[in-house]
Amino acid sequence: KQEVTQIPAALSVPEGENLVLNCSFTDSAIYNLQWFRQDPGKGLTSLLLIQSSQREQTSGRLNASLDKSSGRSTLYIAASQPGDSATYLCAVIPNYGGSQGNLIFGKGTKLSVKP
Amino acid sequence: DGGITQSPKYLFRKEGQNVTLSCEQNLNHDAMYWYRQDPGQGLRLIYYSQIVNDFQKGDIAEGYSVSREKKESFPLTVTSAQKNPTAFYLCASSISRVGTEAFFGQGTRLTVV
Repeated sequence: KQEVTQIPAALSVPEGENLVLNCSFTDSAIYNLQWFRQDPGKGLTSLLLIQSSQREQTSGRLNASLDKSSGRSTLYIAASQPGDSATYLCAVIPNYGGSQGNLIFGKGTKLSVKP
Repeated sequence: DGGITQSPKYLFRKEGQNVTLSCEQNLNHDAMYWYRQDPGQGLRLIYYSQIVNDFQKGDIAEGYSVSREKKESFPLTVTSAQKNPTAFYLCASSISRVGTEAFFGQGTRLTVV
């Protein structure tokens, strides 16, 4: 059964720092991996989608990498700002089995960027 | 603007009542999903639908029901059989279930009173 783990559960950094959020998954048989942001009491906002054949995707100050063989993804945030404070969620879509086609989520990393 | 609209934002349910959460999308997506979010547990899949008039149970379907009569609508009913319904409910959609980007609504917070 696919499991997704995000470490650390919480992270506090000073403004301007570059940071990395980690996501690991137990089964490499995935269609893709998606990173989301969630603000308190709100829905999920899609940040980046990486297809299984890709190694990385970039959007502005965000860069996500995928190493499918080792079951790992990282989300790199450059020059962090207080507005980046939120919970970041990682999810994979398995390409076989009972969960095929459904997002499997980690529990998230809660990021706090201090001014 | 294209997107997913969930209503209401807040919902209160009395013991023994059924309540229905609305989810509407204008993205022309075939696949739609319902997730439940509890503190410390992450998101868990309740039901999903690949196409109109089709839906399948997810990991925690007991006490819930859905319908998919129109492409743009996927309402979720929380029945009295759901013993612990207090949670944050999120609806999502994607072009298809085969590895395409998923988009989420703003959620409905359901509280039992």
